[in-house]
Formats: sequence, C-alpha cells, structure tokens
Amino acid sequence: DSGVTQTPKHLITATGQRVTLRCSPRSGDLSVYWYQQSLDQGLQFLIQYYNGEERAKGNILERFSAQQFPDLHSELNLSSLELGDSALYFCASSYSGGPYEQYFGPGTRLTVT
Amino acid sequence: GENVEQHPSTLSVQEGDSAVIKCTYSDSASNYFPWYKQELGKRPQLIIDIRSNVGEKKDQRIAVTLNKTAKHFSLHITETQPEDSAVYFCAATQPPSGGGADGLTFGKGTHLIIQP
Repeated sequence: DSGVTQTPKHLITATGQRVTLRCSPRSGDLSVYWYQQSLDQGLQFLIQYYNGEERAKGNILERFSAQQFPDLHSELNLSSLELGDSALYFCASSYSGGPYEQYFGPGTRLTVT
Repeated sequence: GENVEQHPSTLSVQEGDSAVIKCTYSDSASNYFPWYKQELGKRPQLIIDIRSNVGEKKDQRIAVTLNKTAKHFSLHITETQPEDSAVYFCAATQPPSGGGADGLTFGKGTHLIIQP
C-alpha cells in the first residue's frame, strides 16, 4: 500500500458524459500527478499540481481538467467522454515538485461505452 | 520533449538467471530515472531509482546503471524468482524550469517472464 488513495475503483459511463476522479496523496506529500494508462498509448503524464497550484501539463486533452484543493486532495474531471478515453487513470504523489520519488495510487478504471 | 525508448518488450529468463532491461532517453537535461514494476491490474510500484550524479545503485538483487554520455540506463535483476514476473517500466524526468514538467516520461514497458 503506497498511502495514495483513489476513488472510485471502477467507473462505467456513456459517451458524451462527464466524470470526476478523486485522489488523496500520501500524508505530507504536496505534489499530485495524474497519469493515463492505455494499451496503445502506454503510461502518459497528464498534469501536475503542487500545493494547490498547477505546476505542469503533459498530454492532457482540453476536455480534461484537474484541481488540487486546500487539503491537497485532487480531482480529475473528464468531459465529453469518447470511447478512446477508456483507460486506467492513476494519480501519484511526491513530497516536493522536484524529481522526488512518485508513489502511485491503485488507479481508477474508466470504461466508456 | 523527452522521449524514452525501452528494450526488449518481452524478456523470458530461467529462474535463477539474470535479467537486463535497457532504456535510452533523449533529453540531456533529464536528471532522475526511476524504475517501476507493475503486476497485472495493480499500481506501478517504484523499485529503484537513480539520479544523474550517480553511475550505479544497488538494492539487494536489483541494480540500476546510468551512462549520461550515452543517455542510457539499465535495470539488472539477479537470481530471478517467479515473483519477479511483471511488467517493468523505466522513466525519466527533468528538473523544473519555471513551469517545467516534473511528470515522468515512461518507456513502453518490458514484460518479464520467469520460467520455472
């Protein structure tokens, strides 16, 4: 157990819908990262938040957004969902925004039908 | 941006033998190189990492080497055991530069199979 929690574990929804994934970092960690894992794209960095502020963006679609709240938990919002958005979504946390160890949560498996 | 290539995509070794997985990266500014192990349906687990100021790091049966000049790094697993069977990912990241990304760029993964 890495100490990073994610809810829900599984999510099944229809195309065009909007969903919110939630992540709580390890105690003391200030940085949260979101990653998408799919068979064709592999593990891809989406976005990072550090102490409530957006720090960096990776391959995140405009239909996706995220935020980090004062208690440091983070939410990833996915809208206008398409079949191709079906994937495992992981969040990871680290103590600082620098190149420190990132610990992954258990992931949310999103299925878009 | 950074690009990480990982080889081989599948590696089958006899139990007790050694396994080596290799990665190359493109951005010479990258300074942190972790390795993750992922079992089917589970989270990626950090197993070892190395920073650019170090050439080699060991942790029991696992070691990682880094060649900054050639921009490649490798994972070595000795005395392999059945529980080592999993997908292994290498990754790289760069130091932050203003709003620069600390997100990891991953290789495509190596499926390591330990044959009994």
